[in-house]
Amino acid sequence: GDSVTQMEGPVTLSEEAFLTINCTYTATGYPSLFWYVQYPGEGLQLLLKATKADDKGSNKGFEATYRKETTSFHLEKGSVQVSDSAVYFCALDSSGSARQLTFGSGTQLTVLP
Amino acid sequence: DTAVSQTPKYLVTQMGNDKSIKCEQNLGHDTMYWYKQDSKKFLKIMFSYNNKELIINETVPNRFSPKSPDKAHLNLHINSLELGDSAVYFCASSQDNGGGGTDTQYFGPGTRLTVL
Repeated sequence: GDSVTQMEGPVTLSEEAFLTINCTYTATGYPSLFWYVQYPGEGLQLLLKATKADDKGSNKGFEATYRKETTSFHLEKGSVQVSDSAVYFCALDSSGSARQLTFGSGTQLTVLP
Repeated sequence: DTAVSQTPKYLVTQMGNDKSIKCEQNLGHDTMYWYKQDSKKFLKIMFSYNNKELIINETVPNRFSPKSPDKAHLNLHINSLELGDSAVYFCASSQDNGGGGTDTQYFGPGTRLTVL
């Protein structure tokens, strides 16, 4: 079955540091890939997505590139802010309908001033 | 205006009780979902409803029953609550894209259920 593996947290960085959160996946066919973010006390919000190989999703300074050859979708940001502190979830959809998302276990990011 | 709302935000109850969590979306979306997030933040889909019809049931115990009175609401009723039901439950919704699929899922703020 489909699965998503994320790097284990928590991750603690200083403000303006470079961020990488690793995500690899196992899926049938050619899934769509997503990063969701969950701020404290809130529901998940879509951060970015990519629907085919070599696509790059980007939003709010975050980027992730769909790498079919390594089955990866690593999240990066060049300079994190305190306000980026949240839990980040990698997810995939191989159904083609986007109604059946499979999530990774989440990575807690804390950014210190 | 809140796009996807859930009530209550917190729910504390005893084992064996029956409880409901309500969800409403004002986005006009066609599909609604229930997810369970455990204490380790692992998130798993429970149900999905499209135009008031159940389309996914991911091996959830039959003590859990989704009820959709109309397209804007998907409530979750839980019978005979157990300790292992303690979790955060998230409702979500999405708009069909006309190609057999759906667009971005929008999540509610969650309901933290604690079973004592």
